[in-house]
Amino acid sequence: QQPVQSPQAVILREGEDAVINCSSSKALYSVHWYRQKHGEAPVFLMILLKGGEQKGHDKISASFNEKKQQSSLYLTASQLSYSGTYFCGTDAGLSDYKLSFGAGTTVTVRA
Amino acid sequence: DVKVTQSSRYLVKRTGEKVFLECVQDMDHENMFWYRQDPGLGLRLIYFSYDVKMKEKGDIPEGYSVSREKKERFSLILESASTNQTSMYLCASTNLPGQGDSLGANVLTFGAGSRLTVL
Repeated sequence: QQPVQSPQAVILREGEDAVINCSSSKALYSVHWYRQKHGEAPVFLMILLKGGEQKGHDKISASFNEKKQQSSLYLTASQLSYSGTYFCGTDAGLSDYKLSFGAGTTVTVRA
Repeated sequence: DVKVTQSSRYLVKRTGEKVFLECVQDMDHENMFWYRQDPGLGLRLIYFSYDVKMKEKGDIPEGYSVSREKKERFSLILESASTNQTSMYLCASTNLPGQGDSLGANVLTFGAGSRLTVL
């Protein structure tokens, strides 16, 4: 079952902040965040594992609330390069090889 | 860097044609996946494979089949293309958790995608 992302789209000016949310109806082992720029492949940004480990991109941060089965991605002091579509992907455990992705959040950062 | 190569970036096919989408990865990854990407629906898993000659259905396998004869190659087959299969198709691969640079979980490396139009 696909996780639910919100908002669908956000428009920012350079330097502004934004939060993207991802929620699931099932227990999660990990939450992944990917960014896709127009015409390109999605690229891995960050992973949050059950138990609190956080790894990945150092300009963008994220949180993972295991109890609520939710994750949030924080874009702080946004740059033009942050523009793209952000996807969260979730899986239920180490033996669950596949990720289920949300519908995506399109972020547009303007000068 | 891991590379996932999808041989066809753009294809135009007619309804009823058999379509092959090819994907090759060069880093000896165990797991390979085919996703379909549509606006407003995100990425939906069609099929995946965790070993040669092994395959498992994803969330939307109807109308598709796959083949994995070699570890590095995973093919998506549309037996009889239909207009509702017009979409962007993304291939991805990953190592087993705990191996290489997997960061302890299933971090995916994607190909650039194959945009299929069925007329």
